[in-house]
Amino acid sequence: EAGVTQFPSHSVIEKGQTVTLRCDPISGHDNLYWYRRVMGKEIKFLLHFVKESKQDESGMPNNRFLAERTGGTYSTLKVQPAELEDSGVYFCASSLWGGANTEAFFGQGTRLTVV
Amino acid sequence: AQKVTQAQTEISVVEKEDVTLDCVYETRDTTYYLFWYKQPPSGELVFLIRRNSFDEQNEISGRYSWNFQKSTSSFNFTITASQVVDSAVYFCALRRDDKIIFGKGTRLHILP
Repeated sequence: EAGVTQFPSHSVIEKGQTVTLRCDPISGHDNLYWYRRVMGKEIKFLLHFVKESKQDESGMPNNRFLAERTGGTYSTLKVQPAELEDSGVYFCASSLWGGANTEAFFGQGTRLTVV
Repeated sequence: AQKVTQAQTEISVVEKEDVTLDCVYETRDTTYYLFWYKQPPSGELVFLIRRNSFDEQNEISGRYSWNFQKSTSSFNFTITASQVVDSAVYFCALRRDDKIIFGKGTRLHILP
């Protein structure tokens, strides 16, 4: 069974450009999460999808970030326009069930560098 | 407020030594879950253990052991007889509902 996969693994873009990150969850997992880690800081929650609906997007930093999950399968996270402080590692996770007592499976992350 | 503190930013030990990674958490919830994840050089976060707030039994899995103490709000992780392959960043985390709250991580170097 394939795990959570993220594309690309690395992305280097210039300030002001647009970048789209993709996450393919484990097949059948309705719950999909985005997290990010900026340099030297904690991994922080961005948002949570249940199927195609946004369950909680309280961690999204600002309106330059747009997450979608059309059809309830893969998800994209678009940053437009990118700023220097957006650099970091973006993780995606999925789980079969929601709630605290559920193991979330993480992808390998996308390292985004904005120059 | 909920918070996870990993005071050790980076640790280096010689192979075969034992090493303990500290984790202190803060929460007002009575029901919560604690986790440890490993991030090897390949980048993915690998789940190691989940412990709920009502189960204070320590757990051992091979060379890994975990010491959960509610009285001190700590959930420490010990690797016995460390190996070079244990080199990674280790994250302690607290989960309430659907959000995982991570510590900053401890980078562990196992020297041959």
